[in-house]
Amino acid sequence: NAGVTQTPKFQVLKTGQSMTLQCAQDMNHNSMYWYRQDPGMGLRLIYYSASEGTTDKGEVPNGYNVSRLNKREFSLRLESAAPSQTSVYFCASSTSRGGDNGYTFGSGTRLTVV
Amino acid sequence: AQSVAQPEDQVNVAEGNPLTVKCTYSVSGNPYLFWYVQYPNRGLQFLLKYITGDNLVKGSYGFEAEFNKSQTSFHLKKPSALVSDSALYFCAVRDNLYSSASKIIFGSGTRLSIRP
Repeated sequence: NAGVTQTPKFQVLKTGQSMTLQCAQDMNHNSMYWYRQDPGMGLRLIYYSASEGTTDKGEVPNGYNVSRLNKREFSLRLESAAPSQTSVYFCASSTSRGGDNGYTFGSGTRLTVV
Repeated sequence: AQSVAQPEDQVNVAEGNPLTVKCTYSVSGNPYLFWYVQYPNRGLQFLLKYITGDNLVKGSYGFEAEFNKSQTSFHLKKPSALVSDSALYFCAVRDNLYSSASKIIFGSGTRLSIRP
């Protein structure tokens, strides 16, 4: 089925380890986004890519880096994981830059940092 | 800056009764408003949007939302709740309408629980 695919679905890291969360969409969407979801705080934007070749910081970018590898793929990297980065991470994509036609979300990556 | 607030963490409704999930917003200019739903262990799903036109917007699964400019509200409604409507609901607003890097800002979410 067409959509947004995130890998891995679950991950446990030790403090200080690094990892990359992968996201790919096959809908030819221009814009892609990384959010984190924490209890009681809704979704907070980490980074986004309005179009291929561009990336911008969102609300909570510290401790993260991103790469828009091509139009399909948008990865999120944690260079040195911290317990505060324990969260559920969602990737999303949209046709228009403002998401007027709605975002399509992946099923999420549940990350635990111990 | 644009913002959106969901004043209720949880809403409990009996099956068959009408439901309302509240949302208020703060924007400069015309608002672009959205509702999303999240079922357990899933990503968010788009329900409906208001950009312009009729104040009552119809969306997926029988949901509708009423845009009220004077009260800066965009409440989600359904005439008759189903147990399967139990989920987490997010209101959202598009920020920075005139920027090519515009994006959506989400509220904190309201958990809707429908009892049989």
